[in-house]
Amino acid sequence: SQQGEEDPQALSIQEGENATMNCSYKTSINNLQWYRQNSGRGLVHLILIRSNEREKHSGRLRVTLDTSKKSSSLLITASRAADTASYFCAMRSSGSARQLTFGSGTQLTVLP
Amino acid sequence: GAVVSQHPSRVICKSGTSVKIECRSLDFQATTMFWYRQFPKQSLMLMATSNEGSKATYEQGVEKDKFLINHASLTLSTLTVTSAHPEDSSFYICSAVSSGANTGELFFGEGSRLTVL
Repeated sequence: SQQGEEDPQALSIQEGENATMNCSYKTSINNLQWYRQNSGRGLVHLILIRSNEREKHSGRLRVTLDTSKKSSSLLITASRAADTASYFCAMRSSGSARQLTFGSGTQLTVLP
Repeated sequence: GAVVSQHPSRVICKSGTSVKIECRSLDFQATTMFWYRQFPKQSLMLMATSNEGSKATYEQGVEKDKFLINHASLTLSTLTVTSAHPEDSSFYICSAVSSGANTGELFFGEGSRLTVL
């Protein structure tokens, strides 16, 4: 299963600032999802965007999807120290089983 | 949301022993569960797809005789690391798809950290 690439690998910002993470992938997708992982813990689903959607919002999260460029971005607005975690994009390929392939991840640190 | 429980959360074993990790869907039925492995500061790599009542499907490069997967019921899948070696030390995470859902969302367990001495 082929991974997606995320950038930046690491991002450090001050509380209150916005954080943007980017994900690029290679195959056609059915949907793209973003997950959060605190250190040493499991993954928490944040948001899912379907291939026919271009933008989606959930609270302080905003996700965009550009299928022509095979890329997605996750924006966290008004960040908080509690947002410190690793963030992964995950792609569900078109026509495949329900497995997900994950991006390389972005480690976000929000400084108080 | 749906809850997936993994046990044990941490395990330390001696080289050569076998370790079993359980993945349970607590409030839904899961015909399919996935096992991932995650090395420090890296992403999740899919190891195998576990299907209730049938053999697991392993990803390329994953030894099926070393990583035994059993999915005997709609709420339980187990991963057994046989004859573990230090290089098997990793974070193992399972995820499950609700049989009744078609949203594509996976529910993840909290992970099991295996350390092989």
